[in-house]
Amino acid sequence: DIQMTQSPSSLSASVGDRVTITCRASESIYSYLNWYQQKPGKAPKLLIYGAASLQSGVPSRFSGSGSGTDFTLTISSLQPEDFATYFCQQSYSTPDTFGQGTKLEIK
Amino acid sequence: EVQLVESGGGLVQPGGSLRLSCTASGFTFSSYEMNWIRQAPGKGLEWISYISSSGSPIYYADSLKGRFTVSRDNAKNSLYLQMTSLRADDTALYYCARGWLSGDYGSFDYWGQGTLVSVST
Repeated sequence: DIQMTQSPSSLSASVGDRVTITCRASESIYSYLNWYQQKPGKAPKLLIYGAASLQSGVPSRFSGSGSGTDFTLTISSLQPEDFATYFCQQSYSTPDTFGQGTKLEIK
Repeated sequence: EVQLVESGGGLVQPGGSLRLSCTASGFTFSSYEMNWIRQAPGKGLEWISYISSSGSPIYYADSLKGRFTVSRDNAKNSLYLQMTSLRADDTALYYCARGWLSGDYGSFDYWGQGTLVSVST
């Protein structure tokens, strides 16, 4: 199975900050990388697919980049509603696997 | 509006069985691949099963070791997960999620709210 490792595991930031979360795959997954946001008690929400494509309805302050084994999710200017946990997921090979999550907290 | 509603979770003893259901609305269910994904309390996400739009092929996580069976009834817009020989480490919130393909890229674009399975004496 392909292992997905996110860093950091948690992050404190302020409204207006620029934030970057990293996801690393144990082998090349080309651009088969998705990002999800999960708020407490809620289901995950798809933000980015194909490493860099913004899902419909997702604010443009979210962006994704990377290919191969190294990927980033960037939030350009944090809003209060962005404090949540973020997961990466590879869809290159079965089984689909997720990163352990990055919890973004208010500083 | 796309909706996925899971049901069937509950408290079950180790070794017991449970059948989860996921009822879909707001889209043509028979046209989409579906998945089950679980999340243990306070933990990350684990994909456990995939079923194609027609019902075949089907894939499972190796960790299930043949204990779970996924199925669907397109006439009823429903997805199922039959779980047997349940263990404490199966305790989790079970989500159904719609598979979505954009070009070559697959993702899970809609998720239900989950149904909680607790395995305990």
